[in-house]
Amino acid sequence: AQSVAQPEDQVNVAEGNPLTVKCTYSVSGNPYLFWYVQYPNRGLQFLLKYITGDNLVKGSYGFEAEFNKSQTSFHLKKPSALVSDSALYFCAVRDDRNTGKLIFGQGTTLQVKP
Amino acid sequence: DADVTQTPRNRITKTGKRIMLECSQTKGHDRMYWYRQDPGLGLRLIYYSFDVKDINKGEISDGYSVSRQAQAKFSLSLESAIPNQTALYFCATSNSHTQYFGPGTRLTVL
Repeated sequence: AQSVAQPEDQVNVAEGNPLTVKCTYSVSGNPYLFWYVQYPNRGLQFLLKYITGDNLVKGSYGFEAEFNKSQTSFHLKKPSALVSDSALYFCAVRDDRNTGKLIFGQGTTLQVKP
Repeated sequence: DADVTQTPRNRITKTGKRIMLECSQTKGHDRMYWYRQDPGLGLRLIYYSFDVKDINKGEISDGYSVSRQAQAKFSLSLESAIPNQTALYFCATSNSHTQYFGPGTRLTVL
């Protein structure tokens, strides 16, 4: 069965510093991987996805993610964090080619302090 | 995503009551999904639909039912609400790869 894990419940960084939010996956076949962000009292917003191609994927709000097949990881990164990046981040993997169902990680809270 | 709307946004109900959560989309997508979010558990799939005649159970469908009234509308019902159905509920729509989420409905069952 497909699965995804986010090993950190919370990540704290100072504004201006680089940030990384970790995600590892377990799939059979080629993975389709996604990152979503949830701001307080808001729905999930799509940030980026990896389907195929370049291992470094660029997304919204200056975020990027690096697909690493050997380490089965898809870490979310940003070179310089903003206080406004503070939110709950979800990694997800597509569970089934035919249904498009997503399997979500448990989420990582990112706290960026001034 | 403003193209996916959910009503109500917040609801408090009592144990045993029937409640319906509604979702509408203007994205023209065929696929629609209902998830619930619980702290520390991420999002879990309740039901999904590929068109008005195609309804499928997700991983946690017990206690829930759905109706796909039209391509643009997908409603979730709790026939007899219980307290452990207190959660944040999300509707999503999809093209072939990416899912787009509504703003969520916060449901509290007392």
